[in-house]
Amino acid sequence: SAVISQKPSRDICQRGTSLTIQCQVDSQVTMMFWYRQQPGQSLTLIATANQGSEATYESGFVIDKFPISRPNLTFSTLTVSNMSPEDSSIYLCSVGDSNSPLHFGNGTRLTVT
Amino acid sequence: GENVEQHPSTLSVQEGDSAVIKCTYSDSASNYFPWYKQELGKRPQLIIDIRSNVGEKKDQRIAVTLNKTAKHFSLHITETQPEDSAVYFCAACSNTGNQFYFGTGTSLTVIP
Repeated sequence: SAVISQKPSRDICQRGTSLTIQCQVDSQVTMMFWYRQQPGQSLTLIATANQGSEATYESGFVIDKFPISRPNLTFSTLTVSNMSPEDSSIYLCSVGDSNSPLHFGNGTRLTVT
Repeated sequence: GENVEQHPSTLSVQEGDSAVIKCTYSDSASNYFPWYKQELGKRPQLIIDIRSNVGEKKDQRIAVTLNKTAKHFSLHITETQPEDSAVYFCAACSNTGNQFYFGTGTSLTVIP
């Protein structure tokens, strides 16, 4: 399975600032996804990162708040913009599709103060 | 999009007993159903999966069953051990969008 490197692993940020999370995969993959996992909760899909085009966002998530880049088939970034304490969560990069299982990076634990 | 429901939210069993977790899904186009185990502070890890052309799959103490007509699938863990204690998530994926949607999770505690 693909090796997924995600950074930073954790960060503490001030309200109103932005944080960019990076995700690097050791092989080319078609599908990359960003999930959010709030404390004690399930995994919620934020968006599908599409290579060469705009990300596809799930209901309740918008590009202005969570801009995503996917410049090539091995790399993606998720930015959490204008953060508030409600954005405190674990953000997970993942790769997979209907022909292969979803695998996750180690996650980024974000705390907004 | 897909809606995946999972029950129960918490489950406690005695060591050696069986544990069953059930999920339902809404999108009839979903055709791939993985199960994940997440230990505290760690990323979710795949433990077993099943495709829609199969009704049951087994891997040692873990088995998964799928009823496509009723749109539900279940995880069965036999001879539970304390190290099985974790949160388990079901998921559903279709080959139209390739997105994975997760159930709400089941916190399993195996009592020694």
